[in-house]
Amino acid sequence: GAGVSQTPSNKVTEKGKYVELRCDPISGHTALYWYRQSLGQGPEFLIYFQGTGAADDSGLPNDRFFAVRPEGSVSTLKIQRTERGDSAVYLCASSFSGSRVDTQYFGPGTRLTVL
Amino acid sequence: GQQVMQIPQYQHVQEGEDFTTYCNSSTTLSNIQWYKQRPGGHPVFLIQLVKSGEVKKQKRLTFQFGEAKKNSSLHITATQTTDVGTYFCAGPSSNDYKLSFGAGTTVTVRA
Repeated sequence: GAGVSQTPSNKVTEKGKYVELRCDPISGHTALYWYRQSLGQGPEFLIYFQGTGAADDSGLPNDRFFAVRPEGSVSTLKIQRTERGDSAVYLCASSFSGSRVDTQYFGPGTRLTVL
Repeated sequence: GQQVMQIPQYQHVQEGEDFTTYCNSSTTLSNIQWYKQRPGGHPVFLIQLVKSGEVKKQKRLTFQFGEAKKNSSLHITATQTTDVGTYFCAGPSSNDYKLSFGAGTTVTVRA
């Protein structure tokens, strides 16, 4: 079946602009995660959704970052007033139920470049 | 907070040789997961270990979870060019579901 999809695959923006990154999880997966991966590093947790609600947003770096999942499926990560330091690959993952033993399946990521 | 460390950061291997990469957590893990990321790709799930001392094999790859559930290893035998990529370990702590990833071991293979 279809895996996790993310759009756009690449996004180039200017400092100070607003961007939205979209994630379409595997059908039937209730848990959705956003991670950020900088060059040479492992993915870093940002936020976790269980259904429509953000169960844990402790990884969001500051209040410029916000994410929603209004219908419990597709999620959008929103970044306001982008800064050059926000440049990274933003990865989305989903899992069946969100339990600790669930496998998380990753999407291809969105490479964000802030000029 | 929980920290996951991997060594070595880089592994240069002659094709056909064996090598091992190690993963250590600052806290006890409920399970350990291993992912492989090819250059330009995204992390792809390889395996999950749950039990203390567990050993699992996937063809030429052998994964081990430590007795204290704080460390793990990945051993690859007879390395092939298809093994090129970065191998990440990741795990939630005992009271948390968030995956904490190590920085990865990047493997290159000399033909």
